[in-house]
Amino acid sequence: KAGVTQTPRYLIKTRGQQVTLSCSPISGHRSVSWYQQTPGQGLQFLFEYFSETQRNKGNFPGRFSGRQFSNSRSEMNVSTLELGDSALYLCASSWGTSGRGDEQFFGPGTRLTVL
Amino acid sequence: AQSVAQPEDQVNVAEGNPLTVKCTYSVSGNPYLFWYVQYPNRGLQFLLKYITGDNLVKGSYGFEAEFNKSQTSFHLKKPSALVSDSALYFCAVRAPPSNTGKLIFGQGTTLQVKP
Repeated sequence: KAGVTQTPRYLIKTRGQQVTLSCSPISGHRSVSWYQQTPGQGLQFLFEYFSETQRNKGNFPGRFSGRQFSNSRSEMNVSTLELGDSALYLCASSWGTSGRGDEQFFGPGTRLTVL
Repeated sequence: AQSVAQPEDQVNVAEGNPLTVKCTYSVSGNPYLFWYVQYPNRGLQFLLKYITGDNLVKGSYGFEAEFNKSQTSFHLKKPSALVSDSALYFCAVRAPPSNTGKLIFGQGTTLQVKP
């Protein structure tokens, strides 16, 4: 079974630009969550999508947005990039229907560098 | 506020010796607890979880964790460390009433196993 895939793996952007990251979950998984990982703040939850609906949202500004398609693939978008947005963005998928015991499976991440 | 603490930034252990990576949590209600490992330039890999039942949970690669409700701890253990266990370890909690994907992570502990 193929794991979670994320594209692209690396991105370099400049301040003020926008970026779209993509995530394909494990086949059959309907929940996709996004996390931001930085050395200073660690792993922080961005949002979760389940069946094309945002089910939970972390404490990030509105510049961070996402969506999920009918095949469960998800994208996240960051507009008006700031230097502080440089991070590893991780996507995780799970069945989404097993309640709090659902373990999430993570992709390799997209390394975003903002210059 | 719900939180997870990993009090040690780094743990050093000799190969063949037992290892412990500490984790404490602060949540309301019954927590669901997880351990993940991250190797350089990789996403997070699921190791084990505690939902209910036996306080000693066994997981992948010979790791186990002990849930202690009175001490609000969920320490990761392995009887005999391998050099290949060297990585970054994260403890995470999913707390009620959330049935969604959101995980709250600790800051991570770097495990260094020396030959």
